[in-house]
Amino acid sequence: DAKTTQPTSMDCAEGRAANLPCNHSTISGNEYVYWYRQIHSQGPQYIIHGLKNNETNEMASLIITEDRKSSTLILPHATLRDTAVYYCIVRVGGANNLFFGTGTRLTVIP
Amino acid sequence: NAGVTQTPKFRVLKTGQSMTLLCAQDMNHEYMYWYRQDPGMGLRLIHYSVGEGTTAKGEVPDGYNVSRLKKQNFLLGLESAAPSQTSVYFCASSNPRGQTNYGYTFGSGTRLTVV
Repeated sequence: DAKTTQPTSMDCAEGRAANLPCNHSTISGNEYVYWYRQIHSQGPQYIIHGLKNNETNEMASLIITEDRKSSTLILPHATLRDTAVYYCIVRVGGANNLFFGTGTRLTVIP
Repeated sequence: NAGVTQTPKFRVLKTGQSMTLLCAQDMNHEYMYWYRQDPGMGLRLIHYSVGEGTTAKGEVPDGYNVSRLKKQNFLLGLESAAPSQTSVYFCASSNPRGQTNYGYTFGSGTRLTVV
């Protein structure tokens, strides 16, 4: 699976949009981009995933660049409950592992 | 809907003792996984199963054994616990559809300390 690079930490003001970047320059054509988050030692929580097109669900939006070498997870109106470590993962669909790096620690500030 | 349930939630073992961690899911998922997470690190895959009666090694399988006798249960065993196995253990399940695994569901974790 392709390697991902994320900033170690980010801050975001409550109520503002949180934009979390991820670089995956070696991604191959059959690899999906997944985002998970882990809130204070709980089990990771699936957020969203995509292949080529931008995706949106009730939690977040995922913007994937046209060359697929980077993506951005957007939390449109961050709340204090969104404070967590966010993991960007690329993997082949059907593969049997999610490789979790160290992720981005997002702190939402009141 | 319970999702993925792990028992126990906390445990302290002495070096050399054995124990089994139980993971149960009620979503009829085919795939199940055991991960460990050490402080400041991401999750690392220990073992996984792609169906009842099957198991396979992940990144860090040494010192652990697993069994999947029933589809809904995935057991992780430590035969002779070592301090290096002090960690938080997470179980997860997923249901592959075609070429894409949609979202893993994780349990809340088991915090194991080996003294």
